[in-house]
Amino acid sequence: QVQLQESGPGLVKPSQTLSLTCTVSGGSVSSGSYYWSWIRQPAGKGLEWIGRIYTRGSTNTNYNPSLKSRVTISLDTSKNQFSLELTSVTAADTAVYYCARMEWLEYFDYWGQGTLVTVSS
Amino acid sequence: QSALTQPPSASGSPGQSVTISCAGTSSDVGGYSYVSWYQQHPGKAPKLMIYEVTKRPSGVPDRFSGSKSGNTASLTVSGLQAEDEADYYCSSYAGGNVVFGGGTKLTVL
Repeated sequence: QVQLQESGPGLVKPSQTLSLTCTVSGGSVSSGSYYWSWIRQPAGKGLEWIGRIYTRGSTNTNYNPSLKSRVTISLDTSKNQFSLELTSVTAADTAVYYCARMEWLEYFDYWGQGTLVTVSS
Repeated sequence: QSALTQPPSASGSPGQSVTISCAGTSSDVGGYSYVSWYQQHPGKAPKLMIYEVTKRPSGVPDRFSGSKSGNTASLTVSGLQAEDEADYYCSSYAGGNVVFGGGTKLTVL
């Protein structure tokens, strides 16, 4: 059974960088059959796809165009983890952040439980 | 990329059927057979209900079905049950990106 678990600070100051890690068990982030994704959800609002990383020969990323200038997703195969960095955060980045596995056929089959990140001074 | 358009709310009585729409464009919903639907109960992570427009994962009741016509996808819940009350989100591949709908709150009356 694949499991994903987000971890990282729950509070980030405005203008700083939000950093989260997703630890995967029951599956390998090196598998070329999946994308490893980040999604967020502000309180009371809908889901927003942030981006994804995958390996097929080389490591590749896709990012939401609206966030692309501030987002970096990376992979640590030795720890079976992938990470999210979001720079220059504002209150609008306050949300529950989910990591998820995405099948090659473009659907999310496994999700982490989510972690709340609040941007506030 | 713009979010897919879903009605904010839908409702039905137990045993009835409800259909939730998900409108996109030829660059997402209409251009690919990669539409998926997710159910989210309060405080929980989303759960996959439908993938590749019409396919149901193992364990999802056959009361849930999906379809697509042109740039609009739909999720139908037949034989509504109390536990179906939740938020529902559609998602589509969009040429290297992924886009979600704004979500529909389904109320079982």
